[in-house]
Amino acid sequence: SAVISQKPSRDICQRGTSLTIQCQVDSQVTMMFWYRQQPGQSLTLIATANQGSEATYESGFVIDKFPISRPNLTFSTLTVSNMSPEDSSIYLCSVLPGLNTEAFFGQGTRLTVV
Amino acid sequence: AQTVTQSQPEMSVQEAETVTLSCTYDTSESDYYLFWYKQPPSRQMILVIRQEAYKQQNATENRFSVNFQKAAKSFSLKISDSQLGDAAMYFCAYIKPGGYQKVTFGTGTKLQVIP
Repeated sequence: SAVISQKPSRDICQRGTSLTIQCQVDSQVTMMFWYRQQPGQSLTLIATANQGSEATYESGFVIDKFPISRPNLTFSTLTVSNMSPEDSSIYLCSVLPGLNTEAFFGQGTRLTVV
Repeated sequence: AQTVTQSQPEMSVQEAETVTLSCTYDTSESDYYLFWYKQPPSRQMILVIRQEAYKQQNATENRFSVNFQKAAKSFSLKISDSQLGDAAMYFCAYIKPGGYQKVTFGTGTKLQVIP
């Protein structure tokens, strides 16, 4: 299993600014995942972060807008850059601790851009 | 590519009654894992139940059970004796084991429990 601490839990930001979301895992994991979830909708994968290499971004997401850091096997950050109201959403980090286990999630960050 | 479909955007159930949430998926793999996750208003994703594709026996966890039909690629969740705390979004999810793993989520079903 894995316990993930995600910060902040919520924030209200001005357009044009950036917000960095942090996820700390209580065990070492190879891959961490960052999702965006619009209200009432499913999770959309933004990118997969591996330690020691560039994150892999899904179609529609780019590094300049969502830079990711993965300095070690227990920590990752996602930055939402140059925010606009369209970035208002819930952002979640997730891990798959083993090859045949379920995914574990952080508590989510509710971002509102005004 | 794998896809997961939940055809019921919203469902409601009377407290203490039984409700079934539907999920179908598409894959060419023979070995994989299926999950139901619950997301209450707190936003925390909580694992409800998991099913390994190689197991014929349907998984059960207390009031939660699944009907896994591998040939039909169907994976429904039955909630018995529904409680107010069961009200949440429910997501069906698929993982192909090994190598580069990624979770494929369904679109979700919002469950309302009526007192």
